[in-house]
Amino acid sequence: SQTIHQWPATLVQPVGSPLSLECTVEGTSNPNLYWYRQAAGRGLQLLFYSVGIGQISSEVPQNLSASRPQDRQFILSSKKLLLSDSGFYLCAWRGASGEKLFFGSGTQLSVL
Amino acid sequence: GENVEQHPSTLSVQEGDSAVIKCTYSDSASNYFPWYKQELGKRPQLIIDIRSNVGEKKDQRIAVTLNKTAKHFSLHITETQPEDSAVYFCATYSENTGFQKLVFGTGTRLLVSP
Repeated sequence: SQTIHQWPATLVQPVGSPLSLECTVEGTSNPNLYWYRQAAGRGLQLLFYSVGIGQISSEVPQNLSASRPQDRQFILSSKKLLLSDSGFYLCAWRGASGEKLFFGSGTQLSVL
Repeated sequence: GENVEQHPSTLSVQEGDSAVIKCTYSDSASNYFPWYKQELGKRPQLIIDIRSNVGEKKDQRIAVTLNKTAKHFSLHITETQPEDSAVYFCATYSENTGFQKLVFGTGTRLLVSP
């Protein structure tokens, strides 16, 4: 069966520090991968998605970037965090020909 | 692009009552409609979904109905229990994004009081 791993679960970072969040999927090949952000009490904002290695689509201009160095690995990064980058970050995947989207357990990021 | 509107934003019911959450969408080519439940601090979890060739789908106390003509779909929860309290999101894919991205509604906070 397929599983998705996302870490860390919580992260507290100072303003101006770098960020790297990692997500990996097991049990499937060539998945579509997604990064969402959720502000406290708010909806799901799509940040990036990828349909293959090295293929990244950015949804909103911002202080973040994403990379997909391997088929089942998706990384969210920032060189310098802003206060506004605080939020709940969720990685998600679906099969290349599937419809169902499954979320990782999320990372609660607090930028202070 | 696809636009998904979700109502109400908050819903309070007594335990045992029914709850209905409605979403409308704009892309007539949309053909897949999932519902997610998100408990506080947890990931959204897929609880039920429906494809456009079906008008209704039921799974125990939850059901989803789809009206393609009116372009709306609804989540129905019967005999609500306190553990149903959560935020619920509807979603759908859009043809103009190649059906690659789920567009989510803004969420409904359901509170079930004992």
